[in-house]
Order: sequence, then C-alpha cells, then structure tokens
Amino acid sequence: QSALTQPASVSGSPGQSITISCTGTSSDVGSYNLVSWYQQHPGKAPKLMIYEVSKRPSGVSNRFSGSKSGNTASLTISGLQAEDEADYYCCSYAGSSWVFGGGTKLTVL
Amino acid sequence: QVQLQESGPGLVKPSGTLSLTCAVSGGSISSSNWWSWVRQPPGKGLEWIGEIYHSGSTNYNPSLKSRVTISVDKSKNQFSLKLSSVTAADTAVYYCARFYTIVGAPHYFDYWGQGTLVTVSS
Repeated sequence: QSALTQPASVSGSPGQSITISCTGTSSDVGSYNLVSWYQQHPGKAPKLMIYEVSKRPSGVSNRFSGSKSGNTASLTISGLQAEDEADYYCCSYAGSSWVFGGGTKLTVL
Repeated sequence: QVQLQESGPGLVKPSGTLSLTCAVSGGSISSSNWWSWVRQPPGKGLEWIGEIYHSGSTNYNPSLKSRVTISVDKSKNQFSLKLSSVTAADTAVYYCARFYTIVGAPHYFDYWGQGTLVTVSS
C-alpha cells in the first residue's frame, strides 16, 4: 500500500485558480469514488474540504471543487485567498484500508 | 456537535507500547459510524493507522497491522490505540477521527481530535 502521489508544492496569486493532483492506482483512486480532500493549517487538525470525489460539506466555500479521471483525482481552488494557504491531503479507500497522499503545500503569493 | 479528545503519555521508551485513548462527546460511539486513528510524523504527511466499529470490528493499515490494536469501550464512550515495539519512527502527532459512515461503510473523516504528540525516546 503506497501513498498517493501529490505535488510537494503549488502556488498562485490571489484571485487565481490552482489545481492539486492526486495520483493513485486501479486499486484505490481508480476503483472507488471514496476520495476526500483535507486542508491542514500549521498546528491544526485536518479539515474536510471535499468528499466522495466532488461533494462539498456544508460550510466549505464553493471555490473548492473536486474531480476524478481514471487513477487521478484533483482538487481545484478558484479565486485564491490568503487564508487558503495551507497543506492539502487527498485520501482514498483502497479496499479494507485507506491511503493518504503525501500532501501539497499551497502558497498564496 | 461531536468532539473528540485524545489522551495518553507524551513520551514512550523504545521497544515499549504506545497507548492512547480518544474520548467522544456530543454523540454516541455506538452510532452507525466507524472510528479511526491517523498519525503525522513531525513535518511529514498523514498516515492512516486503523479503524473500529462499535461492534468491535477492526481494519488496520497493513504496514502496521502486526503491532496495532484498536479497541472500543462503549460504557465510557471512547476507543483506544495500542502500538507495540515502538521506535523513533513512531514519533508523531496522533489524531483520532470519526469516519462518517453510510450503510455500514466508512466514507470520509468528518470530525477530528486536536491531536497529541507522542515522542519515542529513552
């Protein structure tokens, strides 16, 4: 069971859009629509941003969206704001177990 | 509003057993949800450790399975983690979390504890 692959870092200016990819295999991301995304600010617990690939929990801005194609899931943040600067992790079901991505540090320039 | 709170020793000796408890408030551990442990080594990413249902059913990360035991105490509305034969590589912030569950199957983490740092050192 290997970690899902995410870019180590991405950056964007306020107002821009960015996309974070999360690549797995046919045993996890490719087989199940149980991909979720979590935002983590320094010293804080992760916060659910997207679940079941593209659904947004109540209270999460509609600037956050998710999608999946094959073995790769993606998180897109539009209209970047300073408070979006954080680490982002994807997570997928892998058949009786769960696997996280390595995490992506988002910098808002 | 469900709240989770981890507790346990912050320092464990190498080769010893790490023991943590997660107290659940604002909801019942016997609700139709799975409960989980996740850890994060300093400066690194998240790692799923395992999950438990109130019936006692468990699933563990294959890479940790030989050393992990997760149990539930319904009378105290809490669940626990034991990790044996620890080394410095087990130093991490340990989080407990609730898996939102649909028709008996866990789907995503919706509530998290604040996390507790456990250091493995002599």
